[in-house]
Amino acid sequence: SQKIEQNSEALNIQEGKTATLTCNYTNYSPAYLQWYRQDPGRGPVFLLLIRENEKEKRKERLKVTFDTTLKQSLFHITASQPADSATYLCALPISGGYNKLIFGAGTRLAVHP
Amino acid sequence: NAGVTQTPKFRVLKTGQSMTLLCAQDMNHEYMYWYRQDPGMGLRLIHYSVGEGTTAKGEVPDGYNVSRLKKQNFLLGLESAAPSQTSVYFCASNRDDGFNEQFFGPGTRLTVL
Repeated sequence: SQKIEQNSEALNIQEGKTATLTCNYTNYSPAYLQWYRQDPGRGPVFLLLIRENEKEKRKERLKVTFDTTLKQSLFHITASQPADSATYLCALPISGGYNKLIFGAGTRLAVHP
Repeated sequence: NAGVTQTPKFRVLKTGQSMTLLCAQDMNHEYMYWYRQDPGMGLRLIHYSVGEGTTAKGEVPDGYNVSRLKKQNFLLGLESAAPSQTSVYFCASNRDDGFNEQFFGPGTRLTVL
């Protein structure tokens, strides 16, 4: 069955540094991968989508890479700020269409001043 | 636009009671989804709908029923609540098939005693 793994331990970094989060998946060849941000007590909010034929995608201070050989995506936040503190979820489409997604458990990021 | 809204925000039930969670979206989206989120686990798909009058089972459908009588509304029902259904429930919508993001509601925190 399809599985997604994200580092369950919280990532603590200093303001201004680059945060790197990892998403690994198995038994699967997805056409795309998505990243979401979730703040406490709120629903996830979409950040970025990267397709299988794209190696890298950028949006402002965010960068996502997608290595289909390693079955891994890396999510980078450069020049991190305390406001970036949140849980970040990666998601892959479930086979069968209709944009059904399988989500990782998420990695909590804490950016300290 | 309000986006995706959910009611109620919080609810406490006793074992065996029933309730309905309401999800509404004002974006004219075809696809709608119900997820549950439990600590340490990713969002898990309960049921989904690909259009008015249609519903289908997701990953964890047992103990839940759904209805999509109007395009903008997606209802999730618990006929006989169990403590294992204590969770945070999220509704999401999606424009159509293709590589599109899901828009999430704020969630409903349900506790079953």
